Amino acid sequence: NAGVTQTPKFQVLKTGQSMTLQCAQDMNHEYMSWYRQDPGMGLRLIHYSVGAGITDQGEVPNGYNVSRSTTEDFPLRLLSAAPSQTSVYFCASSYWVGETQYFGPGTRLLVL
Amino acid sequence: GESVGLHLPTLSVQEGDNSIINCAYSNSASDYFIWYKQESGKGPQFIIDIRSNMDKRQGQRVTVLLNKTVKHLSLQIAATQPGDSAVYFCAEIRHSGGYQKVTFGTGTKLQVIP
Repeated sequence: NAGVTQTPKFQVLKTGQSMTLQCAQDMNHEYMSWYRQDPGMGLRLIHYSVGAGITDQGEVPNGYNVSRSTTEDFPLRLLSAAPSQTSVYFCASSYWVGETQYFGPGTRLLVL
Repeated sequence: GESVGLHLPTLSVQEGDNSIINCAYSNSASDYFIWYKQESGKGPQFIIDIRSNMDKRQGQRVTVLLNKTVKHLSLQIAATQPGDSAVYFCAEIRHSGGYQKVTFGTGTKLQVIP
């Protein structure tokens, strides 16, 4: 299994641009989530999904959208990037809520 | 408020010695705890977990201890190796509504001195 994969690994955006961060897992996990990691703040939950067609907001959802059309994929969309969204983004998945989450390698985003 | 924190931001250990990384938590209504290892430029990697109804769990070269009385969690690494150099996070996981609320500590950097 490839586990959790994320693309791109690194991205530079200008303020106001949009983009989609891709996340896929091949472990048939129902639960998927997106986190951002900032220095001194640990990982913070952006959005999560408990299965295809079901998504909900986490702690810091503003400025981000998600969708879950399949079990495997959970893309994160930035509609209008802002410098405050400069961060490292991690996608994670687990078999179900309360189970151990497995993380992807991360996407480093720089918004100018 | 709720928090999961680490006592030491940086820990330097001689190769071959044992390492102990500590974590304090404040929310007793948790389901279990996980230790993650994060190497530079990579995502967090699961090391070991422990359920709230346990006080000790052992893996390969790692042991996690949970003291619910003082809300303290520790990770012990035996015979520390250069490959153990990384940032270690403790994470507290509990169900909150329909999702798992995961609170991560800010991390402890383990430096192994050859």
